[in-house]
Amino acid sequence: GQSLEQPSEVTAVEGAIVQINCTYQTSGFYGLSWYQQHDGGAPTFLSYNALDGLEETGRFSSFLSRSDSYGYLLLQELQMKDSASYFCAVHTGTASKLTFGTGTRLQVTL
Amino acid sequence: SQTIHQWPATLVQPVGSPLSLECTVEGTSNPNLYWYRQAAGRGLQLLFYSVGIGQISSEVPQNLSASRPQDRQFILSSKKLLLSDSGFYLCAWTGLAGGPFSYNEQFFGPGTRLTVL
Repeated sequence: GQSLEQPSEVTAVEGAIVQINCTYQTSGFYGLSWYQQHDGGAPTFLSYNALDGLEETGRFSSFLSRSDSYGYLLLQELQMKDSASYFCAVHTGTASKLTFGTGTRLQVTL
Repeated sequence: SQTIHQWPATLVQPVGSPLSLECTVEGTSNPNLYWYRQAAGRGLQLLFYSVGIGQISSEVPQNLSASRPQDRQFILSSKKLLLSDSGFYLCAWTGLAGGPFSYNEQFFGPGTRLTVL
């Protein structure tokens, strides 16, 4: 089976940097993705890592270490609109299926 | 461009009543389609996925079923709803979207919020 662990809540101030960690245990692994979900909305894709290392997309970066079964999402220059839930998700290969973590609720304060 | 539609947006149903939620995708062909359920404040649980017309795989045992009568149509059904079926139901697709991530990015519909009373 698969299991993913993320912190349940994180609070940070506007303009700061925050890191959301994700550890996983899976029977098959093809990559790690991150999704953002605002309250009442649908998840939206942020990033995908298949290989070890850091991927940067604007203010967001995502890191993967396959040997440590660990990844993180780094959000820089936090803005109020970044307040949302963030989910890591493991790609298990079959039919591009995803297994999602329980999510981290990020609260950005002034 | 590709779009995904879900309806209805909200639904309140009595226990024991039937359910039919519909999802359609536009602007792509032969997508992989998925149904998820999200309980309040929780993660997404994959219920069903489909790689083609008439091909349905179930991830968890439950009283729900899914069908794919057309390439870009995915339907979630139940004959008799339970209280535990309440939640936020999300349809998603992946495929050749023309972007850099293709099958590694899932696109979600707006969701249906179901309350079973």
